Amino acid sequence: DQQVKQNSPSLSVQEGRISILNCDYTNSMFDYFLWYKKYPAEGPTFLISISSIKDKNEDGRFTVFLNKSAKHLSLHIVPSQPGDSAVYFCAASSAGGTSYGKLTFGQGTILTVHP
Amino acid sequence: KAGVTQTPRYLIKTRGQQVTLSCSPISGHRSVSWYQQTPGQGLQFLFEYFSETQRNKGNFPGRFSGRQFSNSRSEMNVSTLELGDSALYLCASSLDPGTGGYEQYFGPGTRLTVT
Repeated sequence: DQQVKQNSPSLSVQEGRISILNCDYTNSMFDYFLWYKKYPAEGPTFLISISSIKDKNEDGRFTVFLNKSAKHLSLHIVPSQPGDSAVYFCAASSAGGTSYGKLTFGQGTILTVHP
Repeated sequence: KAGVTQTPRYLIKTRGQQVTLSCSPISGHRSVSWYQQTPGQGLQFLFEYFSETQRNKGNFPGRFSGRQFSNSRSEMNVSTLELGDSALYLCASSLDPGTGGYEQYFGPGTRLTVT
């Protein structure tokens, strides 16, 4: 069962415009969410995270929004740059117990930013 | 600070053999998690170690095992290799997910090919 879903396999945007990547989850025990960026043949790079007690977190060009009631989060990249082209993964975690050290990942969205 | 390192970067093994992969976490990080990435299944959690103890294990057969040393370095072992074990194996370190250090930082991965 896929507890974290990224329903858009790919997204194409123009340089300078906004990129919006979406993620849905089903497990209500998740209380921490993260976004990673990945290039081929490299490990994922941490971008930004958000705790379930917040609904928004910003870091430079990256903003993550969390809608707990809808079990939905999104990553906004403004403005988008060609160097942002990569696969973006949404991940979720829950505190303690049998969830120690475990991130549950979505399937990823390929972002392409055209010059 | 140096990032997470993994060795070797590439491995080719034959069915039935065993393999050991190594991971050195970021200095000061005590939690090490392992993931398998395949095109079909995405990023799947294998197990997590903290203070030389396995605290969590994913849904993988017993052929997959690991350990952690007193300096937080970790190894994972796969015995009796199968073709389906061909994957990118990723190691990630974090401060301590149990106390809120949820952000995991990934190494570059080991690409294992089983022939």
